[in-house]
Amino acid sequence: AQSVTQLGSHVSVSEGALVLLRCNYSSSVPPYLFWYVQYPNQGLQLLLKYTSAATLVKGINGFEAEFKKSETSFHLTKPSAHMSDAAEYFCAVSAQGASTDKLIFGTGTRLQVFP
Amino acid sequence: EPEVTQTPSHQVTQMGQEVILRCVPISNHLYFYWYRQILGQKVEFLVSFYNNEISEKSEIFDDQFSVERPDGSNFTLKIRSTKLEDSAMYFCASSEPGGPLQPQHFGDGTRLSIL
Repeated sequence: AQSVTQLGSHVSVSEGALVLLRCNYSSSVPPYLFWYVQYPNQGLQLLLKYTSAATLVKGINGFEAEFKKSETSFHLTKPSAHMSDAAEYFCAVSAQGASTDKLIFGTGTRLQVFP
Repeated sequence: EPEVTQTPSHQVTQMGQEVILRCVPISNHLYFYWYRQILGQKVEFLVSFYNNEISEKSEIFDDQFSVERPDGSNFTLKIRSTKLEDSAMYFCASSEPGGPLQPQHFGDGTRLSIL
């Protein structure tokens, strides 16, 4: 069985500050890991994905995430927050080699950015 | 950029009534999904669909739910006899062949309110 845990349902940062959104996964097989962003009244947009090619993954809008097997983590970071980054962020996992590629989502982290 | 389109954006239905949620996936995609998000909770997988049949379904997807691809462009989710607990945001997603390596593209969702 697979799952993801996102620590912190709300994160607040000042504009220009580092953004760190935490995600830990549990998987009995090598995972694929994803970060999605959801802006108000919109669907989920893929930020980045880990598919075992490289442990440091760069995504859109300056976000990146590092896969750490020893820590079972896939935290999302951005060096300098922008007001437009305010949104809800979801970590998700699916199983490598599985017959299905359904996504298992975390509970989400709402990011607030203050001027 | 191609998008997944969902209609309606908001559906209000009386309990016990049938409802059909509609989705137009990206045209060259072959895998289709429905997810739902109850207010304040995580996004949950409902069903995946490929080659005109269900690939996998979750425990939520009971006999009250069905999916159909009635033509070459639409993908629908039907709930036969709605319950109060069916109130949620329903997301359609689609992806290209290639399994989990291919990202799932989400629509903006249909907010279903059961009265």
